[in-house]
Amino acid sequence: LAKTTQPISMDSYEGQEVNITCSHNNIATNDYITWYQQFPSQGPRFIIQGYKTKVTNEVASLFIPADRKSSTLSLPRVSLSDTAVYYCLVGEGNNDMRFGAGTRLTVKP
Amino acid sequence: GAVVSQHPSRVICKSGTSVKIECRSLDFQATTMFWYRQFPKQSLMLMATSNEGSKATYEQGVEKDKFLINHASLTLSTLTVTSAHPEDSSFYICSARSASGDNRSQYFGPGTRLTVL
Repeated sequence: LAKTTQPISMDSYEGQEVNITCSHNNIATNDYITWYQQFPSQGPRFIIQGYKTKVTNEVASLFIPADRKSSTLSLPRVSLSDTAVYYCLVGEGNNDMRFGAGTRLTVKP
Repeated sequence: GAVVSQHPSRVICKSGTSVKIECRSLDFQATTMFWYRQFPKQSLMLMATSNEGSKATYEQGVEKDKFLINHASLTLSTLTVTSAHPEDSSFYICSARSASGDNRSQYFGPGTRLTVL
């Protein structure tokens, strides 16, 4: 199982772009990278998933370098409602079910 | 699509009683469901993985006789906390993986807040 390392917390201001990086040095060939968002007392919500290079959807972008040993979640123009804990998970099939500590993002006005 | 529900959303019980939590995939079939526990300010901790029609696989340190998991159908898994004690008070979250299509993503339920008095 690829272990992940993220910053414990980050602060930002409304309207800024936020980049959260996750390190996964022992990622395996078949592993995908998935990011989730969690608000207090709610289940995690899927944000984005990727394997390599760049993936973009309506809420975020995911950048994965060629060696895939890290990934960066990019949130454009954050708002107060983006204050949450963000988790990156790395794995394949039923082996990507274990969460790391996550990054607590606080967006300030 | 890909909605997972949990019932109840909140439960308070007396010490020594058993509590059952249901996890349902509403619009897809889930061959695999996962149960997590989350204490305040902490990350989600995987408790067990359940596959439809077979016994659940428990993570190390999780008592299978205390946390009974039944995955009786492709849309329902239940977690029963037997003889609950105050230290079992936590936020329990389930997730489900679709049996078809993209099987790389799991969909989470809203969680169940268990308080044991």
